[in-house]
Amino acid sequence: SQQGEEDPQALSIQEGENATMNCSYKTSINNLQWYRQNSGRGLVHLILIRSNEREKHSGRLRVTLDTSKKSSSLLITASRAADTASYFCATTGYGGATNKLIFGTGTLLAVQP
Amino acid sequence: EAQVTQNPRYLITVTGKKLTVTCSQNMNHEYMSWYRQDPGLGLRQIYYSMNVEVTDKGDVPEGYKVSRKEKRNFPLILESPSPNQTSLYFCASSPPIRGDYNEQFFGPGTRLTVL
Repeated sequence: SQQGEEDPQALSIQEGENATMNCSYKTSINNLQWYRQNSGRGLVHLILIRSNEREKHSGRLRVTLDTSKKSSSLLITASRAADTASYFCATTGYGGATNKLIFGTGTLLAVQP
Repeated sequence: EAQVTQNPRYLITVTGKKLTVTCSQNMNHEYMSWYRQDPGLGLRQIYYSMNVEVTDKGDVPEGYKVSRKEKRNFPLILESPSPNQTSLYFCASSPPIRGDYNEQFFGPGTRLTVL
């Protein structure tokens, strides 16, 4: 039961540019999280936004959430080569579904130096 | 250092030969989970555990078993591995799920190949 779909699947930008990734999901959520994965390694939590929040910031990261459109976006400002990674959105639901974190398929970001 | 460890990191085995992938966390987390990652499919949850002796199926539990006898350990067992279980496996743990906060901490992954 795949929940999130990221768009684009792959993104290539130059260092210093901004990168925007989008995530769409299908059912009501409790919260939405973004994770980063460097090639073949474990995922690292970046930021969490609750269903009653619309925007959240953390350093160079800005996340928005539109529950009416069932979508979220992750903006990385002033990108660096070290930001090269795959980015995944993940959602949790309500009740028993809070125990499950359902991931999307990811966006592969390449930042060219 | 707070971390989730997995062993082995790489494993090549043959069809039908039982194997166990261990997972251990030192953060006293109650919640632990196993995922598999396949190209184009993202991460899919196999099993999860809310606490000791409490486990439940995720989205793709077929062919896997788990146990949670101690808080820190959550091994993944493949009784009779098949080639379609060739994948990258991740263990994760999380503090108690209260309200809506459940950031998960991931291990480094185990790359399994079943011939």
